[in-house]
Amino acid sequence: QVQLVQSGAEVKKPGASVKVSCKASGYSFTTHGINWVRQAPGQGLEWMGWISTYNGDTNYPQKFQGRVTMTTDTSTNTAYMELRSLRSDDTAVYYCASGYLYGARLLSFWGQGTLVTVSS
Amino acid sequence: DIQMTQSPSTLSASVGDRVSITCRASQSISTWLAWYQQKPGQAPNLLIYKASSLASGVSSRFSGSGSGTEFTLTISSLQPDDFATYYCQQYSTYPLTFGGGTKVEIK
Repeated sequence: QVQLVQSGAEVKKPGASVKVSCKASGYSFTTHGINWVRQAPGQGLEWMGWISTYNGDTNYPQKFQGRVTMTTDTSTNTAYMELRSLRSDDTAVYYCASGYLYGARLLSFWGQGTLVTVSS
Repeated sequence: DIQMTQSPSTLSASVGDRVSITCRASQSISTWLAWYQQKPGQAPNLLIYKASSLASGVSSRFSGSGSGTEFTLTISSLQPDDFATYYCQQYSTYPLTFGGGTKVEIK
């Protein structure tokens, strides 16, 4: 079955960086890419960007450009999301989601989420 | 960016009720609209794509309709497992954007 397994919770200080991993299994990793979405405590969903797992192309919203980098390792079927210059309002659960089955822009299968806490 | 607005933000209903949630886009998105269900402490789950197509494994009591700028998610007969928060998402253009969510509560 399709599974996305993310790395564990992180606690970071303001100004630091965090790198979250997302290991996929149960489908062809190079189809449809991986999206990253975050959810601040008690808040809604916010799309952070997409990476093609076929050729590494990325699409980031303006809000995160220059501060986020998404990469993949096709040898281990793992996607990564690095967020730099962390602030307290980056405290959130970060999710990876695959577009497998329905297309790159649909979030068909989700990881379990990674809580990133930014606190001094 | 395309803004997505959901209403209501909270909905109180009883088991067996028929409920509807509205999602409006700030510009036309044709039928490039998805709905997700999220329960507390869990990742969202895709329910509907292309405005009215049911995702694999999703109960037929969920249905979607609409096109252009106005969309509706309907639950035909609310079940205990349906009490959750629902989000719409447009995928017409990047950046992908979500509505603010509708929490369906027990009345």
